[in-house]
This record gives sequence, C-alpha cells and structure tokens, in this order.
Amino acid sequence: LAKTTQPISMDSYEGQEVNITCSHNNIATNDYITWYQQFPSQGPRFIIQGYKTKVTNEVASLFIPADRKSSTLSLPRVSLSDTAVYYCLVGDNYGGATNKLIFGTGTLLAVQP
Amino acid sequence: DGGITQSPKYLFRKEGQNVTLSCEQNLNHDAMYWYRQDPGQGLRLIYYSQIVNDFQKGDIAEGYSVSREKKESFPLTVTSAQKNPTAFYLCASSFGQGATYEQYFGPGTRLTVT
Repeated sequence: LAKTTQPISMDSYEGQEVNITCSHNNIATNDYITWYQQFPSQGPRFIIQGYKTKVTNEVASLFIPADRKSSTLSLPRVSLSDTAVYYCLVGDNYGGATNKLIFGTGTLLAVQP
Repeated sequence: DGGITQSPKYLFRKEGQNVTLSCEQNLNHDAMYWYRQDPGQGLRLIYYSQIVNDFQKGDIAEGYSVSREKKESFPLTVTSAQKNPTAFYLCASSFGQGATYEQYFGPGTRLTVT
C-alpha cells in the first residue's frame, strides 16, 4: 500500500521561497498528484495538480520527477497568510478496481515576519 | 451559488447516541467523500461514493454508516459502535473518483461526544 510522507513542519520568513516535498512510493500510474492547503477549522482547498515534470499556476509550482515517487510544492515569496497545513494527495495502485486515495501526513508551514 | 455545505458546524452528543452529519452539494459531482480529522492529524477516509446508490468503505469505516439516495446528498451516521467519535468531519465532492479530480471540501462539522 502506498505511503505518503511529508515533513511535519517547516519555518520560513516572508518573501522567501518554500519547497515542500511529498514522497509517495506506490503511486498509481494513471493518477495525478494534487496538493491542498488547509487553514485551522476549515476544509482543505485545491492549490495545484500535475502528472509529471513541472506545472505552474498563479500561486504555486509543482515539480514531479520522471519516476513520480515524489513531488515538490514550491511557494514563491510566501506571506504571513500562507501559514497553513499543506497536504499532497495521490492515488495508490493497490490492485483494486479504483485507485485508493492517500492523503499525505501534512506539513505545517509557519511563516514569520 | 455553487458549493458544498455541511451542517451543523458544531454538534454535541451524549455517548451511546447515534448522530447524522449532513452533506449537500449542488456542483453536479458524481463522487462524494467523508473524512475524519483528529487534532494535529491528517485526513483519513471513512467512506466514499462514486455514484448514487453505491458507496465503498475507506480506511476507517467501522462505527460509521452512509447512504447515497440522491446525487446531491451523502449523509454520514456516527453510530454508538464508534469508539472515539469526537473529531472534525469533512465532506468533499468531485466530478470523478481519484486523485486526478479536484476535491471540493465543505466547511466541516466538529462533533463532540461526552
């Protein structure tokens, strides 16, 4: 079964670039990798999604190596409002009819002034 | 205004009582999910449904039950068999089932059982 691992926490300062990595050793070959952001007592919200190489949108970039066993979320020039927990989500190819969804352990990003 | 709603936001129950959490979406999504989140922990999948009248157990289905009689609704019942029901419960929906499809989350229901 897939196991997705993330650093428990990271600290940063305003204006810096932050990179959060998620390791997923048994990712399904046909599923995308998705990252979510969660503030306290709220539901997670979508940040970015990709299948391979690099994807960029208005808030983040996502880097995925060729073997797809990991992914790195990059947040450019973070601000205090980026303080949140970040989760990766992958599908696990465990042999069932549909892929099993596996959320990462979550990374608490604390941005300081 | 499209979205996914959960009610109530806070729920208090006595031990031994069953309680049902509501989840409604008007996004025309086929798939719906229930997750449980404990303090400082990640999301754990309880149940999911890919289509009306069909649902599958997730990682921690024991002590929970669901129904999917309508596309828009996916209520979760926390039964008295659930050993530690106090948690934050999140409902989500997506066009299809799988990590490829963006999940839209509701605001959550915080259940406290004493």
